[in-house]
Amino acid sequence: EAQVTQNPRYLITVTGKKLTVTCSQNMNHEYMSWYRQDPGLGLRQIYYSMNVEVTDKGDVPEGYKVSRKEKRNFPLILESPSPNQTSLYFCASSFGGSYNEQFFGPGTRLTVL
Amino acid sequence: QKEVEQNSGPLSVPEGAIASLNCTYSDRGSQSFFWYRQYSGKSPELIMFIYSNGDKEDGRFTAQLNKASQYVSLLIRDSQPSDSATYLCAVNMGTGFQKLVFGTGTRLLVSP
Repeated sequence: EAQVTQNPRYLITVTGKKLTVTCSQNMNHEYMSWYRQDPGLGLRQIYYSMNVEVTDKGDVPEGYKVSRKEKRNFPLILESPSPNQTSLYFCASSFGGSYNEQFFGPGTRLTVL
Repeated sequence: QKEVEQNSGPLSVPEGAIASLNCTYSDRGSQSFFWYRQYSGKSPELIMFIYSNGDKEDGRFTAQLNKASQYVSLLIRDSQPSDSATYLCAVNMGTGFQKLVFGTGTRLLVSP
């Protein structure tokens, strides 16, 4: 089944404790992206990657890191999480370009205490 | 700042009625437009996409695009309670690459 998977789905952590949210896709997509979704603010892009070893900042990159060492994986790293990073996070992938849809993972609900 | 604007709603319609969801965008050069449906706590899923001015129909859904007015809409005919969800308008604002900018979504409530 073609899909985007994320782990963990739910995470409660404390301020400053490094964490990684994994994202993997099996559709051979070149493009991958991370979003956060907050009430009233919609989906905002954190980072994106156009291909292996090619990443760039989205609209809200502060406090996050990413890497793209393999085509299928695009982990999101929070080196020192803070309460304002409490959010619902989505990973998405596509074939890139202007006309292809993005497929979303199931989401990761993160709470930082 | 490139923006996509949607009325947050909720938009309430009775079962069987037509629901009309609207979206405006700021980047005149945008070429592709997507409507996603998102149920509470779930991930967005694509309903329709449109690239050309005019209407595009798919079953009960019709997307309408007017690039001159920077306006895109989604009509849902014969609305069903299962259509109750938040509808996200997404506009690709990248030039030759993918840069989706999402609206905050319109919540649709279809009452039986």
